[in-house]
Amino acid sequence: DQQVKQNSPSLSVQEGRISILNCDYTNSMFDYFLWYKKYPAEGPTFLISISSIKDKNEDGRFTVFLNKSAKHLSLHIVPSQPGDSAVYFCAANPVTSGTYKYIFGTGTRLKVLA
Amino acid sequence: DVKVTQSSRYLVKRTGEKVFLECVQDMDHENMFWYRQDPGLGLRLIYFSYDVKMKEKGDIPEGYSVSREKKERFSLILESASTNQTSMYLCASILRGMNTEAFFGQGTRLTVV
Repeated sequence: DQQVKQNSPSLSVQEGRISILNCDYTNSMFDYFLWYKKYPAEGPTFLISISSIKDKNEDGRFTVFLNKSAKHLSLHIVPSQPGDSAVYFCAANPVTSGTYKYIFGTGTRLKVLA
Repeated sequence: DVKVTQSSRYLVKRTGEKVFLECVQDMDHENMFWYRQDPGLGLRLIYFSYDVKMKEKGDIPEGYSVSREKKERFSLILESASTNQTSMYLCASILRGMNTEAFFGQGTRLTVV
């Protein structure tokens, strides 16, 4: 049972436009969410996170939005750049459980077209 | 900066071989993890460890074991490699505390022939 879902396996966006990557989760105990970016043949690198007490977190061109009632989060990249082309994973963790078992989605491959 | 280093970037092994994947982190993190990444399946947790000599099964532990004799080192062992274990293997470490992110190594692309 996939607790964290990224329903779009791929997304193409023109350079300079907004990229919106979506993630849905089923476990209401998740209270900390992260986005990772992964280039081929490299390990994932941390991008941005959000805890459940917030509904938005911004870091430069990257903004994560959390809608707890819908169990949905999204990553916005504005403006998109060719170097943003990568696979993006969302991850979730029930922090209050005291574990660090992040559950990852299946990933969305973003292609930014020059 | 936290550094998580995996011993090999690419490995080719034969079916039935015993395979060791090594991971070392340099920031004194208590928690270490092994994931595998496969197309369409995302990152799946194989094993993790909260402390030296402690280990717990993740979601797909079959065919794997782990060893954590020192805090900084976490090894993944494929007891008898099979072709369905061909994958990208990723090691991660996490500092104990609230709202901390996982730091990943560069990955090991293992091919079992």
